[in-house]
Amino acid sequence: AQKITQTQPGMFVQEKEAVTLDCTYDTSDQSYGLFWYKQPSSGEMIFLIYQGSYDEQNATEGRYSLNFQKARKSANLVISASQLGDSAMYFCAMSLVAYYGGSQGNLIFGKGTKLSVKP
Amino acid sequence: NAGVTQTPKFQVLKTGQSMTLQCAQDMNHEYMSWYRQDPGMGLRLIHYSVGAGITDQGEVPNGYNVSRSTTEDFPLRLLSAAPSQTSVYFCASSYSKAGGYYGYTFGSGTRLTVV
Repeated sequence: AQKITQTQPGMFVQEKEAVTLDCTYDTSDQSYGLFWYKQPSSGEMIFLIYQGSYDEQNATEGRYSLNFQKARKSANLVISASQLGDSAMYFCAMSLVAYYGGSQGNLIFGKGTKLSVKP
Repeated sequence: NAGVTQTPKFQVLKTGQSMTLQCAQDMNHEYMSWYRQDPGMGLRLIHYSVGAGITDQGEVPNGYNVSRSTTEDFPLRLLSAAPSQTSVYFCASSYSKAGGYYGYTFGSGTRLTVV
């Protein structure tokens, strides 16, 4: 069975500093995708970044980057130059990818990390 | 705007009542799903569908029913509401490409309270 673990229930970071949110995953499948979502206090789920298991380079999207270490099964989110608007819950998620015709679209979520950015 | 539309945004039910949470998407996505979010639990999958006429259970399906008669709509039915179903419900859709699913889009959520 697949599992996502986020070990940091809450974190603080000073404005303009970088912060790393941890995510480890467990799967015996070779093909999968890893996602990070942001959930501000308003409640919506905002997609941040995606990493495929066969992608050789770490994904980047603006101030977000995903530190993908396949052997360690970790997919940490790095936010550079934190802003007050980055204060939110952050969820790591995984889906399976099957290249043999079938597919597994279900996202498996971690329990989330609440990030608070201090001015 | 294109996306996933959930209605209602808020709902209060009495124990034993039934209701349907609506979810519609206009992106022609094949895959649709329902999640519930409880404090400290992340999002857990209730039911999902990979196309019209095809549905299956997720991690926490008890007390919920779904159907998918069209590509656009994926309603979630609470058969007999219980206080344990107090939660925030999210509908999501995504498209498939080369065997994988991408572009997950979430609705804005429905906050349900069962008293």
